[in-house]
Amino acid sequence: ETGVTQTPRHLVMGMTNKKSLKCEQHLGHNAMYWYKQSAKKPLELMFVYSLEERVENNSVPSRFSPECPNSSHLFLHLHTLQPEDSALYLCASSQDRDRGGYGYTFGSGTRLTVV
Amino acid sequence: GENVEQHPSTLSVQEGDSAVIKCTYSDSASNYFPWYKQELGKGPQLIIDIRSNVGEKKDQRIAVTLNKTAKHFSLHITETQPEDSAVYFCAASYDKIIFGKGTRLHILP
Repeated sequence: ETGVTQTPRHLVMGMTNKKSLKCEQHLGHNAMYWYKQSAKKPLELMFVYSLEERVENNSVPSRFSPECPNSSHLFLHLHTLQPEDSALYLCASSQDRDRGGYGYTFGSGTRLTVV
Repeated sequence: GENVEQHPSTLSVQEGDSAVIKCTYSDSASNYFPWYKQELGKGPQLIIDIRSNVGEKKDQRIAVTLNKTAKHFSLHITETQPEDSAVYFCAASYDKIIFGKGTRLHILP
């Protein structure tokens, strides 16, 4: 365990389903991130939350909807996904949002397959 | 925009030999350079980092070097072992962290 816990570890969903990914950290970090990792592609930053406020949304389709109810929890709500959305979704946290250089702590990811 | 180039994309070395992964960055304001290791089925894990006021840092078998003038930084793994097989990511950070595309390291028996 790294201090960042993601559930579920694996998820298979149909294109018409609605599901949510959950991320939890108890490291006292102020920033949380969602990344998408596809095969043979670099890590793609999706969303950044700093002190529970969304501060970055990197042109992510509206079928992905993040939620940060408090500084320890982050959700990614999924609906009407496409097969190309199949990937490993990684949550990460850091002490602060890229100020002064802080390393990220990543979770183990949710392997999502859209059928 | 800011960019981090990482080479090679794949690297195979004989067990016991050394491995070197190189990165270059474009934003001269970058001041923090972490390295992550991602094993199969896991998220990336921070293994070592270096700040811009330091030229080299070592932790047991791994070391990082930084050349700020050339905007290059490298990861060196000595006496490689099977458990070193993984994907390694470099990153550069000032006001946002930019990751390289990763290097898949294979340690050959």
